[in-house]
Amino acid sequence: QSVLTQPPSVSGAPGQRVTISCTGSSTNIGAGYDVHWYQQLPGTAPKLLIYGNSNRPSGVPDRFSGSKSGTSASLAITGLQAEDEADYYCQSYDSSLSGWVFGGGTKLTVL
Amino acid sequence: QITLKESGPTLVKPTQTLTLTCTFSEFSLSTSGVGVGWIRQPPGKALEWLALIYWDDDKRYSPSLKSRLTITKDTSKNQVVLTMTNMDPVDTATYYCAHRLGITVVRGDDAFDIWGQGTMVTVSS
Repeated sequence: QSVLTQPPSVSGAPGQRVTISCTGSSTNIGAGYDVHWYQQLPGTAPKLLIYGNSNRPSGVPDRFSGSKSGTSASLAITGLQAEDEADYYCQSYDSSLSGWVFGGGTKLTVL
Repeated sequence: QITLKESGPTLVKPTQTLTLTCTFSEFSLSTSGVGVGWIRQPPGKALEWLALIYWDDDKRYSPSLKSRLTITKDTSKNQVVLTMTNMDPVDTATYYCAHRLGITVVRGDDAFDIWGQGTMVTVSS
């Protein structure tokens, strides 16, 4: 059971918009710690997709965006493409655990 | 550009100690603000943060594994070493090292911006 809760799977057709939620609590996201998102393509290492809640590293398309409110955060992907099919993970810090925590991951399927 | 690469045994026996080395380039752990972390991923499962070491030798460990983990740095070799004692089959996973991205002055806000390719470790007798 992950400290950060994500839906196990989401899906969308090419060109559509999908969102992935990351629900935490008052000891992590709700405490004000930043949320980061990673994309993991099959058989590869995770790649940082969004950092500091809503910032994109150089090279990440602006189709990807992040937001945070209260004890939750969201990753939105617009103009869905086949190559977006991957697992997505959120990450934050938990003060009660004194450590960094990841969500359980969400598998995105492009129909 | 920054690169990291993990190395170590692919197979360890239960109760043995695992030693993994992360060798990196294009940054130094003697530079202020730098950090390297370890994260693992069991087959088909989620990512789990294990440990993180900073340039000032501040060390952080996953509370659930703290008694079994030790992280050290060798700045002259550009390496970070993670040891995990008393290995069990449930520790079978791909182990990644990653470069810390410091976003604010709060270390809890850290992300991991560059990852190694990972090394698969199987625990079996």
